[in-house]
Amino acid sequence: GAVVSQHPSWVICKSGTSVKIECRSLDFQATTMFWYRQFPKQSLMLMATSNEGSKATYEQGVEKDKFLINHASLTLSTLTVTSAHPEDSSFYICSALVGAAGNTIYFGEGSWLTVV
Amino acid sequence: GNSVTQMEGPVTLSEEAFLTINCTYTATGYPSLFWYVQYPGEGLQLLLKATKADDKGSNKGFEATYRKETTSFHLEKGSVQVSDSAVYFCALSASSGGSYIPTFGRGTSLIVHP
Repeated sequence: GAVVSQHPSWVICKSGTSVKIECRSLDFQATTMFWYRQFPKQSLMLMATSNEGSKATYEQGVEKDKFLINHASLTLSTLTVTSAHPEDSSFYICSALVGAAGNTIYFGEGSWLTVV
Repeated sequence: GNSVTQMEGPVTLSEEAFLTINCTYTATGYPSLFWYVQYPGEGLQLLLKATKADDKGSNKGFEATYRKETTSFHLEKGSVQVSDSAVYFCALSASSGGSYIPTFGRGTSLIVHP
C-alpha cells in the first residue's frame, strides 16, 4: 500500500522553542494531507487540512499562528509548533488520502512531542 | 455532517473468544469505510476497508461488511489473540463540497487476556 512517513518519531524540546514535524508521501503525490493530534488514550483530533500550494484549513479552536502548516510540494507537508509549551506535548499524526475517489486513508507513523 | 459512532470500550476478552466491535455511520452519498488499528505507542495502520455496499473487507482474520441498509460496518474476528490488543478506529471518507474529508470514531480499546 501507499506509504506515508513522518519524521521525527520522537522529539523533546525546551519551552519557548519551535519544532518542525515532516510528513512525506513516499510513493504517491498527495494534494491533501491531514494533521491530527492525539492525547493519551483518546481519539484523533483533526487540527487542519493541508493543501498543496495553498493555505491550510484549520479546525475551530486550533491556533493558526501556533501550529504552522506548510504544504510546499506534492510529497511534503510540515507542521511547526511555534513557541512550544508543555501543554503542546502530544502525539501528532499526519495522513493522506489516496485513490481516485479518496477511498483510502494512510497514516504516518506519528510523532511524539515532549516539551520540557 | 458526517459522523462515526463506535461502541465504547474497553472490550475485554479471553484468548480465542469471538470479537465484535460495532460501528455505525452517518454520511451523505456513498462513503468508503475503514477500520484502523493502533498498537500501544504507534501510529494508525489500515486494517481493512470497503468502498461500496455489501463489500466485505478482511485482513488478518478480521472482517467487516458494508451494510448500507443499517449504515453499519461492524468489525468481527472469530478467535482473538493476545497480540490483537490495541485500539480500533472506525472511519469513513466521503465527499464534502468536492473534497474528501475523513471522519473517525472515538476508538475502541480491545484487551485480550491469555
